[in-house]
Amino acid sequence: EDQVTQSPEALRLQEGESSSLNCSYTVSGLRGLFWYRQDPGKGPEFLFTLYSAGEEKEKERLKATLTKKESFLHITAPKPEDSATYLCAGLLNNDMRFGAGTRLTVKP
Amino acid sequence: ETGVTQTPRHLVMGMTNKKSLKCEQHLGHNAMYWYKQSAKKPLELMFVYSLEERVENNSVPSRFSPECPNSSHLFLHLHTLQPEDSALYLCASSRRLAGGTDTQYFGPGTRLTVL
Repeated sequence: EDQVTQSPEALRLQEGESSSLNCSYTVSGLRGLFWYRQDPGKGPEFLFTLYSAGEEKEKERLKATLTKKESFLHITAPKPEDSATYLCAGLLNNDMRFGAGTRLTVKP
Repeated sequence: ETGVTQTPRHLVMGMTNKKSLKCEQHLGHNAMYWYKQSAKKPLELMFVYSLEERVENNSVPSRFSPECPNSSHLFLHLHTLQPEDSALYLCASSRRLAGGTDTQYFGPGTRLTVL
């Protein structure tokens, strides 16, 4: 069965402590890998789309990478305002398959 | 603001009530989606509409009834819900169907509580 799995479930960092979030997928025929940020009580906010292995995209302190089996969201020198739940999703034909998310907390 | 609005933002209803959720997109998109988000679970796709025609229904119970009168508006009609239906209901839109690799943009969601 096509699956998208995110780890860890929760991550607590000190401000400035870089780390990575993982999204592994067992989706055949993946057409794209999406990353979203979701703040409490709000809808997911689009961050990145990756289409092929080896592709990388950056936005401020975030960098997303993609291999044939997983994607990483690297967070460099995070700030408290980066605290949120980060969702990844694999795109099939007409179906986006989401992971359960990683809840990131950055302490000042 | 993503250009996708949802009303109401919060809804509390009894199991015998009938209510509707509304979604409107101001992006000129042709595809719209309903998702359910329960605590600590992945988003579950419920319905997909493309150019006002339903193209996917992921085995959603009939107590959820979608309606798409035009490409800018999407409704989710609710009746005789169960407490386990309490969740955040998210609407999204994309330029075309997801098969075209277009990004989906989400609304803020409606927090539904069924008593």
